[in-house]
Amino acid sequence: SAVISQKPSRDICQRGTSLTIQCQVDSQVTMMFWYRQQPGQSLTLIATANQGSEATYESGFVIDKFPISRPNLTFSTLTVSNMSPEDSSIYLCSVVYATEAFFGQGTRLTVV
Amino acid sequence: GENVEQHPSTLSVQEGDSAVIKCTYSDSASNYFPWYKQELGKRPQLIIDIRSNVGEKKDQRIAVTLNKTAKHFSLHITETQPEDSAVYFCAASGLGGSQGNLIFGKGTKLSVKP
Repeated sequence: SAVISQKPSRDICQRGTSLTIQCQVDSQVTMMFWYRQQPGQSLTLIATANQGSEATYESGFVIDKFPISRPNLTFSTLTVSNMSPEDSSIYLCSVVYATEAFFGQGTRLTVV
Repeated sequence: GENVEQHPSTLSVQEGDSAVIKCTYSDSASNYFPWYKQELGKRPQLIIDIRSNVGEKKDQRIAVTLNKTAKHFSLHITETQPEDSAVYFCAASGLGGSQGNLIFGKGTKLSVKP
């Protein structure tokens, strides 16, 4: 299995600021994925991050709002920029390892 | 792109009964269909998955069936136990059949009453 360490686990942020979430994997993986899960809701794919290239964003998500870095095969960051209360959610990173998708423990973000 | 519909949104059963959750998908190119269980405050955990070259798969009390023609797949839990209570999500792989960019259904909250 793949072990994913995601941090911070939670944060409370002021509107207009930015938060960077980090995701570290214990194995090299080609693609890393970022999801958003609003309270009591399903997981929505934000973007796919490949090492050495720009992330691919899903409809409704843009790079200016959610810039992603992927400097190597074990690490990625997602930044939530210029936050508003509507960005309050749980953000999860995910990787596929040996055909199974694994998730980080999530970052619970509250914007006030 | 892919769209996954999941029903029901909530399901309540008595301990020992069976539970069935159904999903439909839109993209005929999808070829991987996992099911995740998410307990309150925890990350999703894979419980079973099926690929498009298989019609049914079982793992103890859990089974998944796939109908490619109708583009639907179902999760079956037999002899339910209180610890089965959780939210269950179905998913399908995205465009191109990649297994990582999963598109999730809206989830089913399963309650098993003792």
